[in-house]
Amino acid sequence: ETGVTQTPRHLVMGMTNKKSLKCEQHLGHNAMYWYKQSAKKPLELMFVYSLEERVENNSVPSRFSPECPNSSHLFLHLHTLQPEDSALYLCASSQELGAGTDTQYFGPGTRLTVL
Amino acid sequence: GQNIDQPTEMTATEGAIVQINCTYQTSGFNGLFWYQQHAGEAPTFLSYNVLDGLEEKGRFSSFLSRSKGYSYLLLKELQMKDSASYLCAVRDGDYKLSFGAGTTVTVRA
Repeated sequence: ETGVTQTPRHLVMGMTNKKSLKCEQHLGHNAMYWYKQSAKKPLELMFVYSLEERVENNSVPSRFSPECPNSSHLFLHLHTLQPEDSALYLCASSQELGAGTDTQYFGPGTRLTVL
Repeated sequence: GQNIDQPTEMTATEGAIVQINCTYQTSGFNGLFWYQQHAGEAPTFLSYNVLDGLEEKGRFSSFLSRSKGYSYLLLKELQMKDSASYLCAVRDGDYKLSFGAGTTVTVRA
């Protein structure tokens, strides 16, 4: 248990659906992240938020839309996805961007399958 | 951009030692992390190195040489529960972590 929870754990959706992934951290951290993990590939950073402000949008297609209503919650809204978007989506949080030993703690991920 | 290399797979026997190497190229090195990830679970933080040398934490140790762009994670007294994927990650600047593809370690009885 890392203090970061994600729901749902598994999601199957069609290409025309709209769905949202939710992440919540119970660690009192100020920064939150979304990553994509595809099979046999490195984790790819998608978005970074610090104190509810987006500081990184790593060339992610607009069919992925993040939302950070407060420092404890992070959403990833999905619409008109493609089969190649099927992957494990991981959320992480850290105490404070730029702090020397700032360490990211990960949630268990949402396994997304796009049909 | 980053280029982080680590072996794809390693196999070792229970009670043995395994060393997982990681090499990297970066323009703004600001720390190296090792994570452990069991299948279907979250990556969990193992170690952090920012200065050259060895950091020891129980059965796990991590080494860093910044001049060589090289790190290793040493797992001693291997246990079956150590079977997992081990991820090397380099921080570039304030927060951007770039990950290697991971090394799957299989521990055999």
